[in-house]
Amino acid sequence: RKEVEQDPGPFNVPEGATVAFNCTYSNSASQSFFWYRQDCRKEPKLLMSVYSSGNEDGRFTAQLNRASQYISLLIRDSKLSDSATYLCVAVPNFGNEKLTFGTGTRLTIIP
Amino acid sequence: DAGVTQSPTHLIKTRGQQVTLRCSPKSGHDTVSWYQQALGQGPQFIFQYYEEEERQRGNFPDRFSGHQFPNYSSELNVNALLLGDSALYLCASSLGTSGGPLNEQYFGPGTRLTVT
Repeated sequence: RKEVEQDPGPFNVPEGATVAFNCTYSNSASQSFFWYRQDCRKEPKLLMSVYSSGNEDGRFTAQLNRASQYISLLIRDSKLSDSATYLCVAVPNFGNEKLTFGTGTRLTIIP
Repeated sequence: DAGVTQSPTHLIKTRGQQVTLRCSPKSGHDTVSWYQQALGQGPQFIFQYYEEEERQRGNFPDRFSGHQFPNYSSELNVNALLLGDSALYLCASSLGTSGGPLNEQYFGPGTRLTVT
């Protein structure tokens, strides 16, 4: 079983719609979680951290459910520029900086 | 403020050859991590260097080795290349701390290695 699992998609969503991604992790000791965005043939870039209480950044909302070991990302009012691959990341524990990535979920926003 | 840089951007090698990839971290960063990203997959952690020593290693064979220099730049070496080594190799830099919250890792543009 992979340490971090995501639905690879692709998700094809009309502009303005709301889209949600889920991700599960197997290591219950994982302490830190992130969502990265990766454009085609580019490097991953940090989109947002995921906190236990949930956090929001503009149109993006991230949530963590430790009991069920899953992380979610919600994108509201989707824009064409949101088209990218979204990578879920877990980190084992404090002081351990190994990022464990999921396979990524490919999102295409349709005009 | 220069970000993370990597060289070369593209590389084509033959099976059995050796390759060296280079990375210069973001200004002020002292920790370098290397990742391998195969097509359609997420990046996989290879190893991390801090204070010129390998601090952590992922599940990669000994054919993969590295080095960090006093100026914090780093090299990734791969010996006896296999076709399966074809991938995007990403370098990420961060400010290393002992314990405490994770510091953001900034990725370079990557080196695309093709093994024929």
